[in-house]
Amino acid sequence: DTEVTQTPKHLVMGMTNKKSLKCEQHMGHRAMYWYKQKAKKPPELMFVYSYEKLSINESVPSRFSPECPNSSLLNLHLHALQPEDSALYLCASSQTPGQGITYEQYFGPGTRLTVT
Amino acid sequence: GENVEQHPSTLSVQEGDSAVIKCTYSDSASNYFPWYKQELGKRPQLIIDIRSNVGEKKDQRIAVTLNKTAKHFSLHITETQPEDSAVYFCAASWVGLKTIFGAGTRLFVKA
Repeated sequence: DTEVTQTPKHLVMGMTNKKSLKCEQHMGHRAMYWYKQKAKKPPELMFVYSYEKLSINESVPSRFSPECPNSSLLNLHLHALQPEDSALYLCASSQTPGQGITYEQYFGPGTRLTVT
Repeated sequence: GENVEQHPSTLSVQEGDSAVIKCTYSDSASNYFPWYKQELGKRPQLIIDIRSNVGEKKDQRIAVTLNKTAKHFSLHITETQPEDSAVYFCAASWVGLKTIFGAGTRLFVKA
């Protein structure tokens, strides 16, 4: 299974809501990523988890809170978002440098988030 | 901070012609350079990648070259087909973890 799954596919939330995005992979990858992609722009790295520990936070506002409960799951908790946070949120996974010889990242289909 | 510049932003070619996309990176610690293809409404998909200890890599109609000294790398697509039409992103990373993407090239292949 070389698939990364994400739920939900679409999410509309108000600025006072709390919601969560979920990502799952069963490839045995120990590195997982959250990216944000605005229309006609490249993916922008938000967080990297390596062996279930947060290793990179690209100065993301605290209204985005990542969580990696186990080696297969990655969550992104959302609270008090702004309309400018509307975007496609992509999850990805890969082997870590210690796991193997490929650094290829496998992307999920994304969650399209609209903040109203 | 780290930066990846990508040119051109738009590229239009006739079917059967070649397409070349160029990128420049700033972080000399970068050692892995993937290229992704993203079709409208779809996820990015890796089409080819190269590591810093290799100067060139080819996979059928697609090739990538890397000049570490100049911090340049390029994607070459030969015998382009209409299904090659998409947005292409170059990226630079350190051991695949911290990945910085270029701005993207929208490739149109005219039949």
